[in-house]
Amino acid sequence: DVVMTQSPLSLSVTLGQPASISCRSSQGLVKTEGTLLSWFLQRPGQSPRRLIYEVSQRDSGVPDRFSGSGSGTDFTLKISRVEADDVGVYYCMQGTHWPWTFGQGTKVEIK
Amino acid sequence: EVQLVESGGDLVQPGGSLRLSCAASGFAFSHSWMSWVRQAPGKGLEWVANINDDAKEKYYVDSVRGRFTISRDNAKNLLYLQMNSLRVEDTAVFYCARAATPGSVQPWGQGTLVTVSS
Repeated sequence: DVVMTQSPLSLSVTLGQPASISCRSSQGLVKTEGTLLSWFLQRPGQSPRRLIYEVSQRDSGVPDRFSGSGSGTDFTLKISRVEADDVGVYYCMQGTHWPWTFGQGTKVEIK
Repeated sequence: EVQLVESGGDLVQPGGSLRLSCAASGFAFSHSWMSWVRQAPGKGLEWVANINDDAKEKYYVDSVRGRFTISRDNAKNLLYLQMNSLRVEDTAVFYCARAATPGSVQPWGQGTLVTVSS
């Protein structure tokens, strides 16, 4: 199985400051359809919500403060200016190889 | 508006069975791949199974293969997960999600809790 490794596992950020989460896959994620790496946010007590798909495509309604980048086996989610609403656990997920696998999650809190 | 509503979660004894349902609305269900993803209490997300639009392709994580069966009723816009030989480690909130984009899922339902305990 493809192992997805996120870092850091927790992040304490000052409001208005940037934040960055890394996700590394144990195998390359390129497929005919594209590089199938997604990012999700699970706010406390809520279901997960996708923010980014195919490395860098933002979902409808996701603020442009969120951006995804990367290639090969190294990927990054960046928040340009953290807001209170961004608190929760962020997960990366690969959908290139069966079984689909998630990272361990990165808990983001406000300092 | 796209909606996914799971039901069927319950307390069940080890070795027991349960069938989860997911009612879909607001999109072309019969043309959509669908997924089940679970989350054990206080833990991360684990993809469980996928089914393609005509139910001819099904994929499972190794830990449930042979015990769980994903299926669908396109006439009723329903997704199912039949779970047999349940184990304590299957305790989790189970989410159904639409796999509209390749290799990804969105949106997700609100989840249904399955507790396996004696």
